[in-house]
Amino acid sequence: DTAVSQTPKYLVTQMGNDKSIKCEQNLGHDTMYWYKQDSKKFLKIMFSYNNKELIINETVPNRFSPKSPDKAHLNLHINSLELGDSAVYFCASSQTRVMQPQHFGDGTRLSIL
Amino acid sequence: DQQVKQNSPSLSVQEGRISILNCDYTNSMFDYFLWYKKYPAEGPTFLISISSIKDKNEDGRFTVFLNKSAKHLSLHIVPSQPGDSAVYFCAANESTGANSKLTFGKGITLSVRP
Repeated sequence: DTAVSQTPKYLVTQMGNDKSIKCEQNLGHDTMYWYKQDSKKFLKIMFSYNNKELIINETVPNRFSPKSPDKAHLNLHINSLELGDSAVYFCASSQTRVMQPQHFGDGTRLSIL
Repeated sequence: DQQVKQNSPSLSVQEGRISILNCDYTNSMFDYFLWYKKYPAEGPTFLISISSIKDKNEDGRFTVFLNKSAKHLSLHIVPSQPGDSAVYFCAANESTGANSKLTFGKGITLSVRP
């Protein structure tokens, strides 16, 4: 009964390909997030969705397109993958109330060849 | 421009002793601070938090202290246990309406020696 689950856990692909990462939460939260942890280990917010509506978009390239079919799911689609996209991507969720912690999935390690 | 800084990359302590992990921030709009613990190949796990209107919050072996004037917070773990060995991330929240945005530090690797 994993709270925030991401698939796949590992993704190895060629430069130029298109790939998707899926995220689902069963906590009943209404806000979901995508973070990127790069080689310098910083966790940086990419997107935030509240009840399927985009709230935060942190100057992420247009090649990244999040999609939220319902408030329990937030998928990340990446077009034309580049070497610099290699990172660990974390999905998270929280209640939309102030001072509520975010709960994270185990991450998807994306490696671009 | 790092708004949340964890300047020490690592800390090693003896089992049973106190671990003190430090964090500094620059943005005075942060209203809520959190500590996360992360094991390899897992996601960050929420540990403890503190509102900007408080100066201390305690939960079992974990206590977080906030010095707002110095823009500094610290996590104390007493007594430290080998299972506490992990990467600890400090995070700061900025609320915009009902939405929140977390900014993370780079993390501190804590090693607790048996």
